[in-house]
Amino acid sequence: QITLKESGPTLVKPTQTLTLTCTFSGFSLTTSGVGVGWIRQPPGEALEWLGVIYWNDDGFYSPSLKTRLTITKDSSKNQVVLTMTNMDPTDTGTYYCAHTTAITSGDYWGQGIRVTVSS
Amino acid sequence: DIVMTQSPDSLAVSLGERATINCKSSQSVLYSSDNKDYLAWFQQKPGQPPKLLIYWASARESGVPDRFSGSGSGTDFTLTISSLQAEDVAVYYCLQYYTLWTFGQGTKVEVK
Repeated sequence: QITLKESGPTLVKPTQTLTLTCTFSGFSLTTSGVGVGWIRQPPGEALEWLGVIYWNDDGFYSPSLKTRLTITKDSSKNQVVLTMTNMDPTDTGTYYCAHTTAITSGDYWGQGIRVTVSS
Repeated sequence: DIVMTQSPDSLAVSLGERATINCKSSQSVLYSSDNKDYLAWFQQKPGQPPKLLIYWASARESGVPDRFSGSGSGTDFTLTISSLQAEDVAVYYCLQYYTLWTFGQGTKVEVK
């Protein structure tokens, strides 16, 4: 079955760079049409899409955040890495990774990792 | 950017009654080459990740109870829970995946 799990720091300081890793199983990021996306959710607020990377290395980002985001993949390790620069307290929230295809976007999600930005 | 607007922000429905949530996109999410609307619905319960309910506007994800249904095309969509159960209390989100992804702001469903 498909599973995903986010890992990384749960506390970062303002201006630092956040690096999160999504480790998955049950699918391959070399399969045509498959991607892994990142979504975040501030406490008590709505979901916000950050970006996605596909099997062919195509990456797409939220227009409002694209200057701060980089998503890369290591298909041999079944991992996708999210890097977000210049973190701010408003970036506090739960960060999720999700399996996606062109048909069923977001059909499997990780449990999320809570990230707090504070000095 | 496509903006997704849900209504209402919250609703309270008696158990066994119908719940209806609307979602409007700022531009069409209907892909002409396959005649599919790239619109999904998610359910999120407290402390849990979102769960995919509906994709392509009306296709029910495997394992989702048939009391959940999606309808609409182009820019206007509806999620209907035909007979609300206690376990359906949650926040529901629409998502367009026609161009990048955009979520709606969410609709909280409670029991009256």
